[in-house]
Amino acid sequence: GENVEQHPSTLSVQEGDSAVIKCTYSDSASNYFPWYKQELGKRPQLIIDIRSNVGEKKDQRIAVTLNKTAKHFSLHITETQPEDSAVYFCAAAYSSGTYKYIFGTGTRLKVLA
Amino acid sequence: EAGVAQSPRYKIIEKRQSVAFWCNPISGHATLYWYQQILGQGPKLLIQFQNNGVVDDSQLPKDRFSAERLKGVDSTLKIQPAKLEDSAVYLCASSPMTGRGYTFGSGTRLTVV
Repeated sequence: GENVEQHPSTLSVQEGDSAVIKCTYSDSASNYFPWYKQELGKRPQLIIDIRSNVGEKKDQRIAVTLNKTAKHFSLHITETQPEDSAVYFCAAAYSSGTYKYIFGTGTRLKVLA
Repeated sequence: EAGVAQSPRYKIIEKRQSVAFWCNPISGHATLYWYQQILGQGPKLLIQFQNNGVVDDSQLPKDRFSAERLKGVDSTLKIQPAKLEDSAVYLCASSPMTGRGYTFGSGTRLTVV
């Protein structure tokens, strides 16, 4: 069945360093790839997304890259700050009349001050 | 724009009891999703509605879980009877037909004791 693998499950970085989280999807019909940040006890919030006709998208300190051939997409956070500490989820979505989302298992990012 | 509203925020019940959760999506969002998020894991889709019709309920444990979306707006998710392994956060999300603007509610944290 469809699934999204996400690595690593936990990631600790020093403040100011970069963090990279990688996802691999199985369904070649997927054409929309959002990333969510979930702080403790709060709802997942969309932080960046990319469509399949784009290879890279950047928004200030965060960027997402997509390799459709390899079915990989990655989240890059530069100049990490303590407030970046959270759980990050990737998702792969496709439309079959309505959008269906498959979520990754999450990465717990800890930024050490 | 108002967000996705869910209630209650927290619920503690004994096993074999019944419980119901309520979700009010963003106005105009045709698609509504219910997810189960077990601690440390990504959201797992339980059921997806488009307007008041079910699009996908393949992972809904139908012997104990039920959901409805009357009039294509609000939705309720019911568990009867609850088991210990149902302890999780139940997230509701909604999106327009385009899939962009997918928004989660704050969730209901269920503890079954």
